[in-house]
Amino acid sequence: EDQVTQSPEALRLQEGESSSLNCSYTVSGLRGLFWYRQDPGKGPEFLFTLYSAGEEKEKERLKATLTKKESFLHITAPKPEDSATYLCAVQVIFAGNNRKLIWGLGTSLAVNP
Amino acid sequence: DTGVSQNPRHKITKRGQNVTFRCDPISEHNRLYWYRQTLGQGPEFLTYFQNEAQLEKSRLLSDRFSAERPKGSFSTLEIQRTEQGDSAMYLCASSWGQAHNEQFFGPGTRLTVL
Repeated sequence: EDQVTQSPEALRLQEGESSSLNCSYTVSGLRGLFWYRQDPGKGPEFLFTLYSAGEEKEKERLKATLTKKESFLHITAPKPEDSATYLCAVQVIFAGNNRKLIWGLGTSLAVNP
Repeated sequence: DTGVSQNPRHKITKRGQNVTFRCDPISEHNRLYWYRQTLGQGPEFLTYFQNEAQLEKSRLLSDRFSAERPKGSFSTLEIQRTEQGDSAMYLCASSWGQAHNEQFFGPGTRLTVL
């Protein structure tokens, strides 16, 4: 069964303390992995799309990487404003050319000043 | 405004009432998605449209839920005979293309069923 698992469920960091969030997947026919950020009471905000193993994308203090089994969202020197829930979603192909998105449950990140 | 908008932002209703939500996608986007999200969970897919055609509907979706996108622009999501379990954030997203490309979300409509 296709599955997307994010870890840890929650992470608390001190400002400036770098860390990584993980999104592991067991799917067949991967056609893209997406990272989103979600603030409380708001809709998810698109961050990155990764399509192939070895690909990397960067935006400010965030860097996303992809392997054949997982993706990491690295946060370098985080600031309190980076506090949010980070969601991962995987697009898969099935039954010919049908596609679906599978969402993880997210990692809740809190950065203390 | 170039983003996805949703109305209303909040809705409180009594059990058994019908509610309707509206989503206005980014104008050049041909795909429109509806999701439901509860606290601590990721978005749960409900349905999506490509232009005016509803291409997929979640098997978990009760027949009390119906969505339309009559002219391929804005969409409405109606819930009939609401139940307390329908309380959630209802999210709309839009994207461009023939696949599930990066989606841009609206602010959501928070529904509370009393």
